[in-house]
Amino acid sequence: AQSVAQPEDQVNVAEGNPLTVKCTYSVSGNPYLFWYVQYPNRGLQFLLKYITGDNLVKGSYGFEAEFNKSQTSFHLKKPSALVSDSALYFCAVRGTGNTPLVFGKGTRLSVIA
Amino acid sequence: DTGVSQDPRHKITKRGQNVTFRCDPISEHNRLYWYRQTLGQGPEFLTYFQNEAQLEKSRLLSDRFSAERPKGSFSTLEIQRTEQGDSAMYLCASSLAQGTGANVLTFGAGSRLTVL
Repeated sequence: AQSVAQPEDQVNVAEGNPLTVKCTYSVSGNPYLFWYVQYPNRGLQFLLKYITGDNLVKGSYGFEAEFNKSQTSFHLKKPSALVSDSALYFCAVRGTGNTPLVFGKGTRLSVIA
Repeated sequence: DTGVSQDPRHKITKRGQNVTFRCDPISEHNRLYWYRQTLGQGPEFLTYFQNEAQLEKSRLLSDRFSAERPKGSFSTLEIQRTEQGDSAMYLCASSLAQGTGANVLTFGAGSRLTVL
């Protein structure tokens, strides 16, 4: 069975500092990895994905994520955090075939001015 | 295209009543998914359709839950004899089945159910 772990319920970072939101996964076969963001009273929005290719993927709003196969991790990063990045972030994974997307519990990011 | 639409946005009902949620996906998307999200948790998969065929159902989907997508366009999720444990946000998402957008789910804003 596939699963996702987001070990931090909350991440606090000062505006302008780099941020990292951690994610590890477990899946049979090659993983399809995703990050979504959820703002208050809004639906989940797609940020970026890793399917194959370069281990560093770039997404929306300046976010990027690095796929590390040996550590089964897919951490979300941004070089310089903005207050407007404050939101709930979800990592998700699926395996090959038509398996559904499995989400982590989420990490709340607070960027402090 | 206005994205994925869900209706109603909020539903308050008494225990034992039936409720139905509707989802209108992005028109060119042939896959449609239902997820449930409770406070402090990530979305949990319930079921998904490709066109009108229901391809997978989670064990979370008890026999009180039924979903349909009769013409491969909109979908409904019905909960019969609601229980307080059914209180949650019910999320609908859609995607393409093939191509570069195949794995990217577009979510609606959700339908929040409160069972009293």
